[in-house]
Amino acid sequence: AQKITQTQPGMFVQEKEAVTLDCTYDTSDQSYGLFWYKQPSSGEMIFLIYQGSYDEQNATEGRYSLNFQKARKSANLVISASQLGDSAMYFCAMREPHSGGGADGLTFGKGTHLIIQP
Amino acid sequence: DTAVSQTPKYLVTQMGNDKSIKCEQNLGHDTMYWYKQDSKKFLKIMFSYNNKELIINETVPNRFSPKSPDKAHLNLHINSLELGDSAVYFCASSPLISTDTQYFGPGTRLTVL
Repeated sequence: AQKITQTQPGMFVQEKEAVTLDCTYDTSDQSYGLFWYKQPSSGEMIFLIYQGSYDEQNATEGRYSLNFQKARKSANLVISASQLGDSAMYFCAMREPHSGGGADGLTFGKGTHLIIQP
Repeated sequence: DTAVSQTPKYLVTQMGNDKSIKCEQNLGHDTMYWYKQDSKKFLKIMFSYNNKELIINETVPNRFSPKSPDKAHLNLHINSLELGDSAVYFCASSPLISTDTQYFGPGTRLTVL
């Protein structure tokens, strides 16, 4: 079973509209972190926003907010007032504690290709 | 000023060759990682190193070997390259705590001919 599911392979949105990118996750851990990264056509991975499993408030970073619904295991990214420069791949990812202690790698979803149209 | 850097950015080589990709971070982070992004853009963890100790070793071929001379560097060495190794390889780093953000390098696009 996939640990991170992004159900929207691609999305077209008009400039200045708000966008919601879906992400659901699967974990049995109580402590975990959820992340969103942006990958523009230039290829770099840009960190956007983070939500900890114990955080009661939804994370916000500028035009980005994370709609965290723990009971539903969803962590949707909301981009307000979209801009042409928001066109990119967006990846949802989760980080769980390593079973032997120490750090663990990120598990990524398959991504959503967002295209902002003028 | 670059937080996580990788060299080279592009690598084109023949099947059967041995190659290395270098990664350096100046963030003072405890853990470094290598990820592989395939042609469908799927990203998967390959290795992580914490204070010179390998703590994750995913089911990658043993032709791939991470080498960390110190806390700030994690190099990826690949022996006997195969066509299927063509991908973009990302280095990343983070503090030790599991919920801390990972910061990625610019990626190395490897093409095996």
